[in-house]
Amino acid sequence: DAEITQSPRHKITETGRQVTLACHQTWNHNNMFWYRQDLGHGLRLIHYSYGVQDTNKGEVSDGYSVSRSNTEDLPLTLESAASSQTSVYFCASSSFLTGIEQFFGPGTRLTVL
Amino acid sequence: AQKVTQAQTEISVVEKEDVTLDCVYETRDTTYYLFWYKQPPSGELVFLIRRNSFDEQNEISGRYSWNFQKSTSSFNFTITASQVVDSAVYFCALSEARGSLGPSGSRLTFGEGTQLTVNP
Repeated sequence: DAEITQSPRHKITETGRQVTLACHQTWNHNNMFWYRQDLGHGLRLIHYSYGVQDTNKGEVSDGYSVSRSNTEDLPLTLESAASSQTSVYFCASSSFLTGIEQFFGPGTRLTVL
Repeated sequence: AQKVTQAQTEISVVEKEDVTLDCVYETRDTTYYLFWYKQPPSGELVFLIRRNSFDEQNEISGRYSWNFQKSTSSFNFTITASQVVDSAVYFCALSEARGSLGPSGSRLTFGEGTQLTVNP
C-alpha cells in the first residue's frame, strides 16, 4: 500500500546543530508539504514543492530549507536549530491531478535543547 | 490572506451528547476548498471531509454531519451521539484555488484546532 513516512519519529538535538527530517512518500505525488504544529497555532506551512527541483517558502520558512531531487522525498533541514523550533513536524503530499486533499505522515517530534 | 478561525479551544461533553464544532473562514478567492481533519491522541492527522465553494449541500456520514454556509463563511461540524472514541483535536482548513489549474496541490491554512473530550 502506498504511504508517507517520516523519520526519525522523535529527535532531541542541541541549539546550533544542523538537523534533517526525512519525508518519503510512495504515492508518486507531485506535491509535498512541510508543516509544523504548535499549541495555539494549529499547523503552519513551512515549505512546499510542486515537483522535482521546485521548492517554495511557506508562512514560517525562516531557519528551514528543503530540496527536491526526486518525486518521493522532501527532506526538511534546520540549518542551525533553535529552541523556538521545538515542535511537531508533519509532512504531507497530494496528487497534482486528483489530489485536493493532502495525506499526512505520522509526524516527527523535535526537541531543541 | 486566508484565515481560519476555530473559536472553541476546548469542548467537553458527556457521551451520547451532540456537539458542534465551529469553523469560520476568510478568503478573497471565489473558488476554494474546506476541510476537516481529526487528530486523535495518537497524533496522526486523519482526513474527514472536503467541500468545494460551489457546493453548499450539507453532508452526513454516519454520526458526522457538516453544515457549509457561504453567507456566513462557516463550515461547522456536528457529531451526533458522541462517543469516547471521538475525543480528539479537530482542525478545520482552507485551500485556495491554484489559478486556472484549480485547487490541486494548494496549500492548506489551518485553524488552531478544537480539543474535544467526550467523557463516559
